[in-house]
This record gives sequence, structure tokens and C-alpha cells, in this order.
Amino acid sequence: GQQVMQIPQYQHVQEGEDFTTYCNSSTTLSNIQWYKQRPGGHPVFLIQLVKSGEVKKQKRLTFQFGEAKKNSSLHITATQTTDVGTYFCAGPAGYSTLTFGKGTMLLVSP
Amino acid sequence: NAGVTQTPKFQVLKTGQSMTLQCAQDMNHEYMSWYRQDPGMGLRLIHYSVGAGITDQGEVPNGYNVSRSTTEDFPLRLLSAAPSQTSVYFCASGRNVAGLNTGELFFGEGSRLTVL
Repeated sequence: GQQVMQIPQYQHVQEGEDFTTYCNSSTTLSNIQWYKQRPGGHPVFLIQLVKSGEVKKQKRLTFQFGEAKKNSSLHITATQTTDVGTYFCAGPAGYSTLTFGKGTMLLVSP
Repeated sequence: NAGVTQTPKFQVLKTGQSMTLQCAQDMNHEYMSWYRQDPGMGLRLIHYSVGAGITDQGEVPNGYNVSRSTTEDFPLRLLSAAPSQTSVYFCASGRNVAGLNTGELFFGEGSRLTVL
């Protein structure tokens, strides 16, 4: 079935450093979503990208959708300790469901 | 606004016992789903429903049953618990128009299940 691969699996940065996580699919995606899960919490929706080449920003977070709609990235500028958590990308699986990548766990040291 | 409510938050079972994880949403969402989360495995879809009376299997359905008698409720049943079902379970709901996923999923806070 449809799979989305996410890298890296884990990243540890110093506060103030940048962070990027990548999501790749073997097939074209109609859209891609990003979620954040704080330690001990539940996934929370961040954003949905739909258009080829789309770039969206939320404060220090920049989301990109590739031109071929097969890859996406999330970039955090100047990380803060509040950015700690696991970031998941998710793409459609069939018409009705979402399939999630395995996530990138971000640890930020003060 | 309650959103997606899961009960119980924690449960310990013995192998072979049965139980039901409850999920209710008050957003009138057509789509509801159950995921399990295990370390290093991400979120894996167990079962999902696109409306009352309609259910379908996800990636890892074995050992689990679901039903959708109302729009609001989507319980997950473990008929004979096994240690391999030790996991954190998340219920999620979302809008779904004509069977097509239309956007974000809203997750419950999770149910942590341990099977001894």
C-alpha cells in the first residue's frame, strides 16, 4: 500500500540551531499533512499542503511540497525547547484514509 | 468543546481477556479511525469508518473489531488480548465528503494498554 518515508528518525539539536525533516513517497500525493506530537501527548495537526511547489510558513516553521508532489519538508528556524516532540507527515491512502510516516523525533537542548 | 474523547486512558489486561476502547466525537465528523502507536513504528491504522454503518480494515486489523452504529461513537474491541497488542491507541476523526478525506484529523488523548 501507499507509504511515506520520513527521515531522519531522530535529531538532537542545540537551542537556536535549525532543524529539517523530510518526507518522501514513491507515488504522487494529492496532498500532504504534517502533525506534531509532544512527549506523552497526541498528534496535533499543523498544516496541509495541496499544490505542487507550495510553501507555507507558520512563524518559525516552513513547510514545502515538492514540484512532483512526491516529497515534502518541514524546516524549523532557530529551534526552541518548545519545539521538542515528534513530527509526522501523512499522505492519503486510498480515498478515505491517511498513512503516516514513522516520524522524526526532535530533541532540543537548552 | 470536547472534540474526541477516549476512555479509558490506561488499562492493564491479562492475556486472553477482552475489552473495549471507547471513542466518541462531538464534531459530527463522518470519518473515524483507530491507530496504534509503537516505538519506532509511527502510527499504524487499525480500522476506519467513513460513516455510520460502514467500517473497513486498515494496515493492522488482526485481533481487533469495530462497529459504527452512530456518527458519534466508534468503539474498538479486543476479543482475546495478546501481549503484542500492548500499545498506545489513538482514535481520530475528520471530515469526509463522499468518502474522500478532506483534511485534518483530530486525535483523542490516547489509551495506553498493557497486556501481561
